[in-house]
Amino acid sequence: SAVISQKPSRDICQRGTSLTIQCQVDSQVTMMFWYRQQPGQSLTLIATANQGSEATYESGFVIDKFPISRPNLTFSTLTVSNMSPEDSSIYLCSEGADNEQFFGPGTRLTVL
Amino acid sequence: GENVEQHPSTLSVQEGDSAVIKCTYSDSASNYFPWYKQELGKGPQLIIDIRSNVGEKKDQRIAVTLNKTAKHFSLHITETQPEDSAVYFCAAERGSTLGRLYFGRGTQLTVWP
Repeated sequence: SAVISQKPSRDICQRGTSLTIQCQVDSQVTMMFWYRQQPGQSLTLIATANQGSEATYESGFVIDKFPISRPNLTFSTLTVSNMSPEDSSIYLCSEGADNEQFFGPGTRLTVL
Repeated sequence: GENVEQHPSTLSVQEGDSAVIKCTYSDSASNYFPWYKQELGKGPQLIIDIRSNVGEKKDQRIAVTLNKTAKHFSLHITETQPEDSAVYFCAAERGSTLGRLYFGRGTQLTVWP
């Protein structure tokens, strides 16, 4: 499996601000995904990050709130915009090939 | 969309005993079912998976069974060890939505020495 890293590992932000999370994979991958894991909860898919095209968002998530970039086959970013305390979560990126999907270590975001 | 139910939410066992976690899914089109282990402060780690053309798969102390007719699948851990303590998540993927996983709510497994 590819090695996935995320930056930052954690952050504390003020409401109304935005944070961009970076996800780096050590090999070229076709599909990358972004998930949210609210405190003590399960993982919810936010969007599929497609290289060379716009991300595909799941129901309940919109591009204005969670803009995503995928400039190449090893890198993606997720921005959490105009944050509120309800956005406090762990944000995880993953890469998938032939069904198997592997996750990064996550970014723990706290919004005050 | 897919709906994945997972039980129990918490499970405590004595070291050496077996642990079983069960999941059900709603979408008959789902054909891939992975299990993840998440330790505190870390991302989920894929531990075993099963595809719809297989009824059972085993990897050392871990096994997964799948009943497509009943739409349920289970994780079995034998000879549990304290380092098995973690949150375990089941997930399902629909064939037409490659890579889009729908997760259960997780099971906190505690193995007492």
